[in-house]
Amino acid sequence: DAGVIQSPRHEVTEMGQEVTLRCKPISGHDYLFWYRQTMMRGLELLIYFNNNVPIDDSGMPEDRFSAKMPNASFSTLKIQPSEPRDSAVYFCASSLAHIYSGELFFGEGSRLTVL
Amino acid sequence: AQSVTQLDSQVPVFEEAPVELRCNYSSSVSVYLFWYVQYPNQGLQLLLKYLSGSTLVKGINGFEAEFNKSQTSFHLRKPSVHISDTAEYFCAVRIKAAGNKLTFGGGTRVLVKP
Repeated sequence: DAGVIQSPRHEVTEMGQEVTLRCKPISGHDYLFWYRQTMMRGLELLIYFNNNVPIDDSGMPEDRFSAKMPNASFSTLKIQPSEPRDSAVYFCASSLAHIYSGELFFGEGSRLTVL
Repeated sequence: AQSVTQLDSQVPVFEEAPVELRCNYSSSVSVYLFWYVQYPNQGLQLLLKYLSGSTLVKGINGFEAEFNKSQTSFHLRKPSVHISDTAEYFCAVRIKAAGNKLTFGGGTRVLVKP
């Protein structure tokens, strides 16, 4: 089975540019999560969806960040405009409903560098 | 709100020696507990989880963890580490009645030396 697929794996951009990160969850999973990992702040939950509906976006840093899940097999995280402090590894993860106790399956991450 | 504290940010250990990674959580309600491992340049993988029942949980790669409700701890152990265990380890907690949201600790970097 294919795991969670993220693209791009690496992105280098200049401050002010728009960045779009993409995620394809595991087929059949109904939860999707976006996490950000930095040395300073560790793993932070940005937003998560259940059945394509955003449930909790309290971790989204500010209005420059937005996330969408137009269907069960695709999600995007967009940063516009990007800033150097957005440099981090962004992980997407998916899981089945809580009856499976919430084990998350992570993608390999998208490493973003904003110059 | 729940929180997770991993008391050691880095743990150096010699090959074939035992290792223990400490994790404490705070929550006023029942939780599920998890340990994840992150190898360099990869995503996180589940090592083991505590849902209910026996407080000693065995996971992959020879790891085990013990849930201690009175001390609100979930320490991870391995009796003999290998070079390949060099990675970062994350403890995580999920409130049983509150969806699938996981809260992670700050991580512990394990460096296994030959």
